[in-house]
Amino acid sequence: QKEVEQNSGPLSVPEGAIASLNCTYSDRGSQSFFWYRQYSGKSPELIMSIYSNGDKEDGRFTAQLNKASQYVSLLIRDSQPSDSATYLCAVAMNTGFQKLVFGTGTRLLVSP
Amino acid sequence: EPEVTQTPSHQVTQMGQEVILRCVPISNHLYFYWYRQILGQKVEFLVSFYNNEISEKSEIFDDQFSVERPDGSNFTLKIRSTKLEDSAMYFCASSVAGMYGYTFGSGTRLTVV
Repeated sequence: QKEVEQNSGPLSVPEGAIASLNCTYSDRGSQSFFWYRQYSGKSPELIMSIYSNGDKEDGRFTAQLNKASQYVSLLIRDSQPSDSATYLCAVAMNTGFQKLVFGTGTRLLVSP
Repeated sequence: EPEVTQTPSHQVTQMGQEVILRCVPISNHLYFYWYRQILGQKVEFLVSFYNNEISEKSEIFDDQFSVERPDGSNFTLKIRSTKLEDSAMYFCASSVAGMYGYTFGSGTRLTVV
């Protein structure tokens, strides 16, 4: 059974701090990794994708991938109250049709 | 920015009734998906669709479920005889290629009573 594990949180950080979100996955064959943001009652919104080991930065977001240790992380710098949401880690085998396996998500609360 | 459009936003149906959930994917996308999320639970894969056929389906996607792309723009999910446990948020998604993260629609909240 392919699993993606996340701490459900909530992770509470003050405004302006760095939020660090972590995810582990069980399937060593996984090739594509995504972070989605989901506000309550809304659909997931893609914020980062990463495919190779190392760091990938996009604005205030940095995704980190370590395939040997089977973990993916997301750093959010200068956290804002509007970043308060549930962050979903999603993993795909490189099948071409990209069925995603989601974690349960980590709830992030950024206090002003 | 292009969007995946889903209708209706909320549907209430009686147990045993058929429902059709509708989606209009982004126009140049080739890969289409349905996911569902039961309240408070994970987003779960139901089915992927490419080149007018199902490419993969999950154990959830049993004989009660079907998908169709009837006219080259709409993508529908039909549940033939709804059960209480089908109550969930259903998300349609599409991608330009299977390799990349895809765009979700805003979802249809299905409530079976």
